[in-house]
Amino acid sequence: DADVTQTPRNRITKTGKRIMLECSQTKGHDRMYWYRQDPGLGLRLIYYSFDVKDINKGEISDGYSVSRQAQAKFSLSLESAIPNQTALYFCATSSKRLWGIEQFFGPGTRLTVL
Amino acid sequence: DQQVKQNSPSLSVQEGRISILNCDYTNSMFDYFLWYKKYPAEGPTFLISISSIKDKNEDGRFTVFLNKSAKHLSLHIVPSQPGDSAVYFCAASFFSSGSARQLTFGSGTQLTVLP
Repeated sequence: DADVTQTPRNRITKTGKRIMLECSQTKGHDRMYWYRQDPGLGLRLIYYSFDVKDINKGEISDGYSVSRQAQAKFSLSLESAIPNQTALYFCATSSKRLWGIEQFFGPGTRLTVL
Repeated sequence: DQQVKQNSPSLSVQEGRISILNCDYTNSMFDYFLWYKKYPAEGPTFLISISSIKDKNEDGRFTVFLNKSAKHLSLHIVPSQPGDSAVYFCAASFFSSGSARQLTFGSGTQLTVLP
């Protein structure tokens, strides 16, 4: 079944460590997104990409970087993790054919920075 | 400044009754609104949407109402079922030149349907 997958599902790391979260999709969608969810704040957009050569900053990109390795893969990196980056991270996809409105989400990665 | 607000963090209703979840927005440019449902340990899943040219959209037990003058939308679930217990996110979208569409999410409402 076409899907959005995220690895790892859970990760505990220490302050200052570099960490990468990966997202893969088999939906054939051209657009991919990274969000973080914090209690009481909903989902906030970190970065988004409309194709392999197009990367854009979202609302809260500071401290994060991304790489679109292929149409199906979009990874999020924390170059030097800090405790306030502890959150639930979601990858999402959408299709230009659907006007990019509806987004399809992965299961999430729970990241804890000690 | 939150452009999409869900002021009720939680809501409890009895099985079989109506659940009403509310959402307010401030940006007049929003022209498309969506509701997502999220179960624990899963990603949000799309539930229902409405364009700003409509004031109501219905899909089975779920109906979304849009009041543009009040910048308010609501999700009605009738009848509510225990399986509807989840966090519900309201999201809004508009088309911005050069960057296509993005979604702005509310903070979510935890719905609990009591058997």
